[in-house]
Amino acid sequence: DVKVTQSSRYLVKRTGEKVFLECVQDMDHENMFWYRQDPGLGLRLIYFSYDVKMKEKGDIPEGYSVSREKKERFSLILESASTNQTSMYLCASSFGAPGAFFGQGTRLTVV
Amino acid sequence: KNEVEQSPQNLTAQEGEFITINCSYSVGISALHWLQQHPGGGIVSLFMLSSGKKKHGRLIATINIQEKHSSLHITASHPRDSAVYICAVRKGSQGNLIFGKGTKLSVKP
Repeated sequence: DVKVTQSSRYLVKRTGEKVFLECVQDMDHENMFWYRQDPGLGLRLIYFSYDVKMKEKGDIPEGYSVSREKKERFSLILESASTNQTSMYLCASSFGAPGAFFGQGTRLTVV
Repeated sequence: KNEVEQSPQNLTAQEGEFITINCSYSVGISALHWLQQHPGGGIVSLFMLSSGKKKHGRLIATINIQEKHSSLHITASHPRDSAVYICAVRKGSQGNLIFGKGTKLSVKP
């Protein structure tokens, strides 16, 4: 079974902090994705990566950056966390087609 | 207008009822996914369809490409089916997934 693991289930950070959300997949998938999910808005794509050291902006990249130094790991970075970044963050991976294997989600609260 | 529309937004059913969740889309797609998200947040892929019908246990998914419509059916529903069901489509052959806003299903004992 494909396993996509996100480092934290729940996270509370202060405004202005630098926040790292980590995602690791164990199936040698090329494609990895970061989404955020908000009530009434559904899932929205933040960034994605088709290969190591490659990254592409999704629909809502502002305020975020990503890092993919190794194939299995895709990190989402909030350079200076703000309260409007309080959300559920979901990582996904896939081989070939865009991702249908999701992690368990990280619920981030910025206070 | 959203490219992927789901209905209903919320659905409450009694245990044992037959349930249908609908998904309509307005773009050309190469595949459609049905996803399940439990209250804990994790998402599981139930089906990926490009034509016809798929069945897995009590779950059935159908797609009509000409009508740009898909349905997810749950037979003999159970409280453990309570979750948010999300429809997602892959636009064209290389596009990223576009998600519906989800249908929240509650099955009462």
